[in-house]
Amino acid sequence: DAGVIQSPRHEVTEMGQEVTLRCKPISGHNSLFWYRQTMMRGLELLIYFNNNVPIDDSGMPEDRFSAKMPNASFSTLKIQPSEPRDSAVYFCVSRRGSGTEAFFGQGTRLTVV
Amino acid sequence: GESVGLHLPTLSVQEGDNSIINCAYSNSASDYFIWYKQESGKGPQFIIDIRSNMDKRQGQRVTVLLNKTVKHLSLQIAATQPGDSAVYFCAENLSGGGADGLTFGKGTHLIIQP
Repeated sequence: DAGVIQSPRHEVTEMGQEVTLRCKPISGHNSLFWYRQTMMRGLELLIYFNNNVPIDDSGMPEDRFSAKMPNASFSTLKIQPSEPRDSAVYFCVSRRGSGTEAFFGQGTRLTVV
Repeated sequence: GESVGLHLPTLSVQEGDNSIINCAYSNSASDYFIWYKQESGKGPQFIIDIRSNMDKRQGQRVTVLLNKTVKHLSLQIAATQPGDSAVYFCAENLSGGGADGLTFGKGTHLIIQP
């Protein structure tokens, strides 16, 4: 298995632009999570899906952030408009179910200038 | 201006020695725990996990200890190697219900001295 696949690996964008991060979870995994990692806050849970349904989005910073999971093999995290404080590494994580090992993607390093 | 970031605890160990990394978790109802290793520029990688019905679990060169009484988790790495240098995170999970996200600790930076 190729593991959790995220794209792009790096993204540099100007403030105000729309950014879309993509994730392909491991086949057969029912849960998908988006995390953000910064030096200031460490790893923060933004949102998670179970069987493609958003379960908890309380970690999403504000309305500029949105996430979708149209099917079991694809999810997006969108930031519109982006701001410099959104600069971070964004990780997609998938797992088979509750209480099982969670696998991280390689992350997308976002820089908003 | 000066940037302020997380001040990660740092553990410096001589190559070949054993290391112990500690973690305090927050939710007494958490029933599943994982240790992750994150090398520079990479995503966290699974090391070992343990369920709350156990107090010890061993892997290859690693042992996880769980003390539910004081909500404490530790990771022991035997005979440390240069490749063990990384940031180590513990994560707790409450299974079932709506709270299924993994909550991560701040991490500990392990440095292996030659």
